[in-house]
Order: sequence, then structure tokens, then C-alpha cells
Amino acid sequence: AQSVTQPDIHITVSEGASLELRCNYSYGATPYLFWYVQSPGQGLQLLLKYFSGDTLVQGIKGFEAEFKRSQSSFNLRKPSVHWSDAAEYFCAVVQGFQKLVFGTGTRLLVSP
Amino acid sequence: IAGITQAPTSQILAAGRRMTLRCTQDMRHNAMYWYRQDLGLGLRLIHYSNTAGTTGKGEVPDGYSVSRANTDDFPLTLASAVPSQTSVYFCASRQEGAATEAFFGQGTRLTVV
Repeated sequence: AQSVTQPDIHITVSEGASLELRCNYSYGATPYLFWYVQSPGQGLQLLLKYFSGDTLVQGIKGFEAEFKRSQSSFNLRKPSVHWSDAAEYFCAVVQGFQKLVFGTGTRLLVSP
Repeated sequence: IAGITQAPTSQILAAGRRMTLRCTQDMRHNAMYWYRQDLGLGLRLIHYSNTAGTTGKGEVPDGYSVSRANTDDFPLTLASAVPSQTSVYFCASRQEGAATEAFFGQGTRLTVV
């Protein structure tokens, strides 16, 4: 079965600095991958998704992610972080065209 | 506004009691999901349904049951609540297909005492 791993529980970034959140997946074929963001006390919002084609995917709020098959990774990036980006970020993968399974999440803290 | 509605927003429940968390969507999505969110564990899939009349078990199904009598509703039932079921529960829906995004409700915060 496919799964996703987010190795970083917390990350602190200075406002204006660049950001990279890691996501690794396990699956033999091309996975269908997603990044979601959850602000405190809120539900989840889709940032971006990858299912085929261009390996660099653009999302909302200035985020992008790059699918690297050789590294089994789908890392989320942003060139300049804003204080409003502080939230929890989840990577997810579709298992068998049915189940949507999430990683354990990475909490982003933004320092002034 | 189209979306997913969960009820109640929060609930304190005595251990041993039965509780049904409600979830309704108006997007005519055929796939629906229930997750629980716990600190440090992310979102774990409890049960899912790919279409009305079918359900499947996720990662942590024990102690929970679901039904899918129609497209719009996907209730989650705790037959006899235990304190370990204290969590935030999220319902989600998506159009079945690998590349479609899921839409989430605002969550139900359940405390079992």
C-alpha cells in the first residue's frame, strides 16, 4: 500500500526566508500526491496536487512542489514565507484510486 | 454555499454512550471519508465510501461504524464511546478518481469522559 512520510514534525522559519517541507512516498507506480494546509482551528485546504505531466507543480498562496521519482519525494517550497503561512501542512497520497491517506503533518512556525 | 457540513461542532460525551457524528455534502461527490486528527499522528482514515451503498475500512476502524444510504450523507457512529476516541473528527468528500481533491468539513471536536 502507498504511504507518505513527513519526517519533520516542526519547522521554524524566519519571515521572508525560503521554506521547504519534506514529503516522501512509497509506491511502485506513479502516485497521486497532494499538499494540504490547515490553519489553527480550521479544516484542510488544498494547496496543490500532482498526478502526471510537469514535475514542478504550482499551487495557491505562492507555493510550489516538485515531484522527484528518483527520490520518492514531493517536497513543498515557497521562496519567501509570510507570517500568515504559519499552519500545519499535510502531504497526502491516493491509495488504489480509493483511499486518501495523509502523512503526520509538519507544523510551520514563522519567526519575526 | 456548496460544501460539507458536520454536526455537532463539539460534544462532550460520557464513556459508554452511543454517538453519531453527522456529515452532509451537497457537491454530489461519490467518495466520502472520515478521519480523526490527533496531536503528532496527523489525520488517520477511519472509514470511507466510494459510492452510496458501499463502505470500506481505513487505518483505524475499530469502535466506529458508518453507513452510506445516499450520496449526500455519511454518518459516523461510536457504538460505545471510550476515552481514547477523544479527538477531532473530519469528514471529507471527493469525486472518485485518483487526481481529484478532497473537500473537508470544519471538524467535530469530541471529548469522551
